[in-house]
Amino acid sequence: NAGVTQTPKFQVLKTGQSMTLQCAQDMNHNSMYWYRQDPGMGLRLIYYSASEGTTDKGEVPNGYNVSRLNKREFSLRLESAAPSQTSVYFCASSVPNNEQFFGPGTRLTVL
Amino acid sequence: AQSVTQPDIHITVSEGASLELRCNYSYGATPYLFWYVQSPGQGLQLLLKYFSGDTLVQGIKGFEAEFKRSQSSFNLRKPSVHWSDAAEYFCAVGEGTYKYIFGTGTRLKVLA
Repeated sequence: NAGVTQTPKFQVLKTGQSMTLQCAQDMNHNSMYWYRQDPGMGLRLIYYSASEGTTDKGEVPNGYNVSRLNKREFSLRLESAAPSQTSVYFCASSVPNNEQFFGPGTRLTVL
Repeated sequence: AQSVTQPDIHITVSEGASLELRCNYSYGATPYLFWYVQSPGQGLQLLLKYFSGDTLVQGIKGFEAEFKRSQSSFNLRKPSVHWSDAAEYFCAVGEGTYKYIFGTGTRLKVLA
C-alpha cells in the first residue's frame, strides 16, 4: 500500500517550458487535491477533484490545468512555466470530511 | 472568508520541556480541525483530528489538542518534547465537504 505517490521528485524548467506533475493514490479515495507550498504561506489549494470526472479551481489556479484521469490519478500541468511557479507541489487525497493523505512532494524550480 | 491563524512562526524549546502551539480559526459552523506535521523534505502527516465529541483529542507521537469553541482555538500540546519533534506544524480546518484551509505553519526547533 503505497498511499499517495508523486513524480517527479525534482524538476528544473526554463521559463516557457511545459510539464506535467503526476499523482496517484491507491486508497480508493474519491477526492484528490493539488497544493503548492511556499515559505511563510502554508499550503495553498490550486485545484481539487471531488470525485472522478469533476475538477474545481482552488485559491491559486492561474497558470495551471488539471486532469482527473481516473479514480486513482490526478495530474497537474504547467503549460508555460514562469519563475513565480517555483514551489513545492503536493498532491493529496481524502474521503469527504476527513483527513487528507499527502504525497512526498515535487520540488520545482523555474529559471 | 474562513481562515486559520498560527501566530507563532518559529518556536524554540529545550528537549524535555513542554510545548504548546497555537491555532485560531474563523469558521461559522462546527469545524473539522486537524494538526499535521511536516519533517524536512517530506509530505504532511496527520497528528490528530477533531470532528465532534470530547474536546480533548489524543494523537500520535504523544501529542494532544484541545478544541475551545468560545476561543475559536485548537491548540496543540505535548508534555515533554523530544529532539525528533523538530519539524513544521500546520493547523487546518475543513471548509465544507471538500476543501481545507491551512495555517501558515509553526517551525519548531528543539535544543539538546
